[in-house]
Amino acid sequence: GAVVSQHPSWVICKSGTSVKIECRSLDFQATTMFWYRQFPKQSLMLMATSNEGSKATYEQGVEKDKFLINHASLTLSTLTVTSAHPEDSSFYICSATEKLAGGSPLHFGNGTRLTVT
Amino acid sequence: SQQGEEDPQALSIQEGENATMNCSYKTSINNLQWYRQNSGRGLVHLILIRSNEREKHSGRLRVTLDTSKKSSSLLITASRAADTASYFCARLTGKLIFGQGTTLQVKP
Repeated sequence: GAVVSQHPSWVICKSGTSVKIECRSLDFQATTMFWYRQFPKQSLMLMATSNEGSKATYEQGVEKDKFLINHASLTLSTLTVTSAHPEDSSFYICSATEKLAGGSPLHFGNGTRLTVT
Repeated sequence: SQQGEEDPQALSIQEGENATMNCSYKTSINNLQWYRQNSGRGLVHLILIRSNEREKHSGRLRVTLDTSKKSSSLLITASRAADTASYFCARLTGKLIFGQGTTLQVKP
């Protein structure tokens, strides 16, 4: 089945530094990728939608300059948390789909646990 | 709010029992999807039900959809300890929006 690889699975960084998270579709071309954030015992909150070759569409309340998303190819999207602060500590999950329309299921990465100290 | 509502928020049952989780939403849908998440992991797609379908089966899973009530339910029959996880419904509206989820614990 379709596989989405997310890296790293966990990262610890100091306040003020930037962290890049990669999301790769391994056996399909992902025209659309989504980035979610999940706090403990809560649901997934959509942060942004990224389409290959175009700017990401951010959800209300998500800072574009803080969470930089790049979807430079059909198999790779990256999320960079810039100038990280402890409140950015969370579980970040990417998902990808080959065809958004038509109800194709999304394939999810295994998530990245970010801890900012 | 992005999220729909799911109930119960938490469910604890014995192995062999059935587990039913419900999901309600506010806007019209083309389809509704159910996902499972093991603790600290990504999500796994379980089943998709289209708006013109009322019921769908996949192994021990049964999903129903009532578009007039804007609700769906996921039934897991003959539950196993390995079914312990969080279950989310999600609706596609140009983007996939998740419900609040139900945390299921199946005791051996």
